[in-house]
Amino acid sequence: DGGITQSPKYLFRKEGQNVTLSCEQNLNHDAMYWYRQDPGQGLRLIYYSQIVNDFQKGDIAEGYSVSREKKESFPLTVTSAQKNPTAFYLCASSQDRGGSQPQHFGDGTRLSIL
Amino acid sequence: RKEVEQDPGPFNVPEGATVAFNCTYSNSASQSFFWYRQDCRKEPKLLMSVYSSGNEDGRFTAQLNRASQYISLLIRDSKLSDSATYLCVVTAGYSSASKIIFGSGTRLSIRP
Repeated sequence: DGGITQSPKYLFRKEGQNVTLSCEQNLNHDAMYWYRQDPGQGLRLIYYSQIVNDFQKGDIAEGYSVSREKKESFPLTVTSAQKNPTAFYLCASSQDRGGSQPQHFGDGTRLSIL
Repeated sequence: RKEVEQDPGPFNVPEGATVAFNCTYSNSASQSFFWYRQDCRKEPKLLMSVYSSGNEDGRFTAQLNRASQYISLLIRDSKLSDSATYLCVVTAGYSSASKIIFGSGTRLSIRP
């Protein structure tokens, strides 16, 4: 089955630690996105990539980094500079780079601070 | 004013009722519109795209009103399983993903 796989499902971060969230898709989609969702809030865009080896900052990129070395993969690193990382992180992909096609989501990673 | 606004609810309606909610958007150049549903502690899932002429999928009907800049979602004969948060998504322009805007969602609770 085609889809988006995020791992791990739950992640705990210690003070000063960088952690990396995995996102893999086998839908052959060009565009991939990372969102953060806080309790009772909407989705906020962290980073997006419209093509391999290229990515752009979203609305809340500070304290995060990404890479897009392969079409299928778009990992997100939550760095120690992100002082409030506790949230639900969602990865998405879409066939269209410009947003005219719907996004498909992975089932998310919940990150908490130890 | 937010770019995309939704009534947060919660809407609490009895099973079998018809319920509708709107989503307003501020950018008149918006081109693409979608409704997603999100269950508690789960990822959003596409419910339906919204087309200019309006579209229906079973008990669900989506409408677009460009003049007043809102989209609507109507649910007929509501089921307990319809309880969820409904997110609207609006895309303005074609070249930048930063123009994809999610509403904060409307919570719907169906009671027996």
